[in-house]
Amino acid sequence: QSALTQPRSVSGSPGQSVTISCTGTSSDVGGSNYVSWYQHHPGKAPKLVIYDVTKRPSEIPDRFSGSKSGNTASLTISGLQAEDEGDYYCCSYAGSLFVFGTGTEVTVL
Amino acid sequence: QVQLVQSGGEVKKPGASVKVSCKASGYTFTNYYMHWVRQAPGQGLEWMGVINPNGGSTTYAQNFQGRVTMTRDTSTSTVYMELNSLRSEDTAVYFCARTFIAARPPGDYWGQGTLVTVSS
Repeated sequence: QSALTQPRSVSGSPGQSVTISCTGTSSDVGGSNYVSWYQHHPGKAPKLVIYDVTKRPSEIPDRFSGSKSGNTASLTISGLQAEDEGDYYCCSYAGSLFVFGTGTEVTVL
Repeated sequence: QVQLVQSGGEVKKPGASVKVSCKASGYTFTNYYMHWVRQAPGQGLEWMGVINPNGGSTTYAQNFQGRVTMTRDTSTSTVYMELNSLRSEDTAVYFCARTFIAARPPGDYWGQGTLVTVSS
């Protein structure tokens, strides 16, 4: 099972929007309603920000949103804030298995 | 409150085995699947496998087939991940994380992570 493809890095100024893509195949992202996104700071546990493609845990601000088109899922962070810096990973169900994305570093300029 | 508390860091020699525990509290242990995920230094997150505490069935990632064993003890609400034939590339932080639905990726609560160092 190959890792899902994410851009290595994205950046934006405070208040701007950034979108992170997560590209897989019809065997994972394209065929699944279960794609999650995590914010991760090294040395800490990952934090779930989106699940089931579009759903947000109650404690996650509505600046975070998820979507999917074909074999590509996307995470959009609107109104970027300094605290949004970190690494972001997608993860998809792949028919009894799971696969993570390659990870994207988000930098707030 | 929900907590997943993992065992402490380990240092192992190549070829040895390591067993990491993840003790759950604050919820019904058998209602949630438990995943194991690792992150090697400078690398991304890697899914290792999942166990259903209700019955003990497991699914392992192809990369770890034959080397990993996940078990659970319902009397102590603890899941275990044992990795054999350790090599230097297994040096990583290992996380457990629960999920409610079998097809859903690791979810809302994660353990604090356990650093396993493999070195001669």
